[in-house]
Amino acid sequence: EAQVTQNPRYLITVTGKKLTVTCSQNMNHEYMSWYRQDPGLGLRQIYYSMNVEVTDKGDVPEGYKVSRKEKRNFPLILESPSPNQTSLYFCASSLEFISSPLHFGNGTRLTVT
Amino acid sequence: DAKTTQPPSMDCAEGRAANLPCNHSTISGNEYVYWYRQIHSQGPQYIIHGLKNNETNEMASLIITEDRKSSTLILPHATLRDTAVYYCIVRSSNSGNTPLVFGKGTRLSVIA
Repeated sequence: EAQVTQNPRYLITVTGKKLTVTCSQNMNHEYMSWYRQDPGLGLRQIYYSMNVEVTDKGDVPEGYKVSRKEKRNFPLILESPSPNQTSLYFCASSLEFISSPLHFGNGTRLTVT
Repeated sequence: DAKTTQPPSMDCAEGRAANLPCNHSTISGNEYVYWYRQIHSQGPQYIIHGLKNNETNEMASLIITEDRKSSTLILPHATLRDTAVYYCIVRSSNSGNTPLVFGKGTRLSVIA
């Protein structure tokens, strides 16, 4: 089944403890992206990648890192999480970055205390 | 990307057609109309998109007016599982990486 898989689905952590949220897609998509969703603010893009070894900042990249070493994986790294990064995170992918529909993962709900 | 306007909420009886309107009066010639939905806190789900012609797939139909200033997403036989927030987005092939702006969408409640 074609899908975008995120792990974990839920994560509670403490301020400053490094964490990684994994994202994997099995559709051979070139474009991958991370979003966060907060009440009243909608979906905001954090980082995106147009292909392997090509990444760039979205609207809200501060406090996040990403890597794209292989086409299927696009992990989101929080080196030193803070409470304002408590949010619902979505990974998405599309065949190419211009106008193909995005396919989203089921989300990761992160709480930083 | 052009701005879209959607009603904040709608109700629909189960088994009936749900018609969700979207206004995009400033749409330009190369902009597509996309529809996504988000069920509770799940990831947004792509439904359908179109440029000028009406489109239909296994999930829904998209009717775009001749002047392209508005469109309607039709769920032909709504079920309780179609209760979700529906987002109408316009986007062109020249949008580059400008992020999709989901806006507030229409909260559709399908009632038994």
